[in-house]
Amino acid sequence: ETGVTQSPTHLIKTRGQQVTLRCSSQSGHNTVSWYQQALGQGPQFIFQYYREEENGRGNFPPRFSGLQFPNYSSELNVNALELDDSALYLCATLPGQGAGANVLTFGAGSRLTVL
Amino acid sequence: RKEVEQDPGPFNVPEGATVAFNCTYSNSASQSFFWYRQDCRKEPKLLMSVYSSGNEDGRFTAQLNRASQYISLLIRDSKLSDSATYLCVVNLFSGEDSNYQLIWGAGTKLIIKP
Repeated sequence: ETGVTQSPTHLIKTRGQQVTLRCSSQSGHNTVSWYQQALGQGPQFIFQYYREEENGRGNFPPRFSGLQFPNYSSELNVNALELDDSALYLCATLPGQGAGANVLTFGAGSRLTVL
Repeated sequence: RKEVEQDPGPFNVPEGATVAFNCTYSNSASQSFFWYRQDCRKEPKLLMSVYSSGNEDGRFTAQLNRASQYISLLIRDSKLSDSATYLCVVNLFSGEDSNYQLIWGAGTKLIIKP
């Protein structure tokens, strides 16, 4: 177990609905990033948060939004779900300093199915 | 052209053999590079960072060629447990807008056969 917990592990939604995915950060990890991984593809970077501020974003539309809380846990929100949003959503944390400062620790992911 | 490209494979390799695969990247401003390993239906895990001088960790050797914009991974004396998908990751940081991005390849599938 990595210490990064994601919830829910699986969920099913319908087109047009909204979803919130959650990620708890490993102790001392102040940076969190989110990824979308479709079947047979590599992870696609959605965005990154550092100390509650977004400091990086990939090529995802504004209906993908996020939050990071003072305890460094995080949420990914997706509005107006589309069928193509079906994927595994991974969050990863970084300690940001010390040994392994650039080593991402991933959660096990939330598998979203949009019908 | 994709920003980070990998041969999807699969590479079918007999146990004990040496296997190598490359990853090319398009943005010359790329700053740091990594290889991750992902087992089926699991999350990615860091295999190794890739340094300019090249680096080795046991049976694994990673190289970076900035001039030709590729990184490589060499696995010697392959084991059955090396079967996985190997993902190449490139870190881009734009000082202009302080935007940080991690760009992932789609992965190379490796199957080690007894």
